Amino acid sequence: QSALTQPASVSGSPGQSIAISCTGTSSDVGGYIYVSWYQQHPGRAPKLIIYDVVNRPSGVSDRFSGSKSGNTASLTISGLQPEDEADYYCNSHTTNDIQVFGTGTRVSVL
Amino acid sequence: EVQLVQSGAEVKKPGESLKISCKGSGFSFYTYWIGWVRQMPGKGLEWMGIIYPSDSQTKYSPSFQGQVTISVDKSINTAFLQWSSLKASDTAMYFCVRYFSSLTSPLRYWGQGTPVTVSS
Repeated sequence: QSALTQPASVSGSPGQSIAISCTGTSSDVGGYIYVSWYQQHPGRAPKLIIYDVVNRPSGVSDRFSGSKSGNTASLTISGLQPEDEADYYCNSHTTNDIQVFGTGTRVSVL
Repeated sequence: EVQLVQSGAEVKKPGESLKISCKGSGFSFYTYWIGWVRQMPGKGLEWMGIIYPSDSQTKYSPSFQGQVTISVDKSINTAFLQWSSLKASDTAMYFCVRYFSSLTSPLRYWGQGTPVTVSS
């Protein structure tokens, strides 16, 4: 099972919006609604921020939103804030009930 | 409150065996899939495998099948990840996770991580 493809880094200024892509295949991202996104700050455990493509767990800011088209999912962060500086990983359910993560994206707030 | 508390840091030599643990509390341990995620130094997350405590059913990523064993002791609400012969390339942080609900659901809860160092 190959990792999903994400850009290595994305940056933006405070208040701007940025988008992170996550490209897979019809066997993972394209075949299921079960795409999730995780935020990881240095030295911390990852935190779920988006699930089932578009849903946010309680307590997660509505500045985070998700979408999907074909084999590519996207995470958008609106109104970028300094605390958004972190690593972000997408994740998808795949055949045989296995999950696969993306390669990860480092978000920098300029 | 749902909590996953993992065992402490380990330093081992190549060829040694190891078993790390993840104790769940605040939920019905029997009825949620519990899994393990690897993060090698400076690298990304890798889904390793899962177990369903009720019947000990397991599923492994092809990358980890045969390399590790996931088990559970229902009597103490604890899941385990074990190696029979460690390699230097097993050096990583290992997180245990609990699924939100079903097998298609996200990894809602995470343990604090167990760092494993394998060095001669």
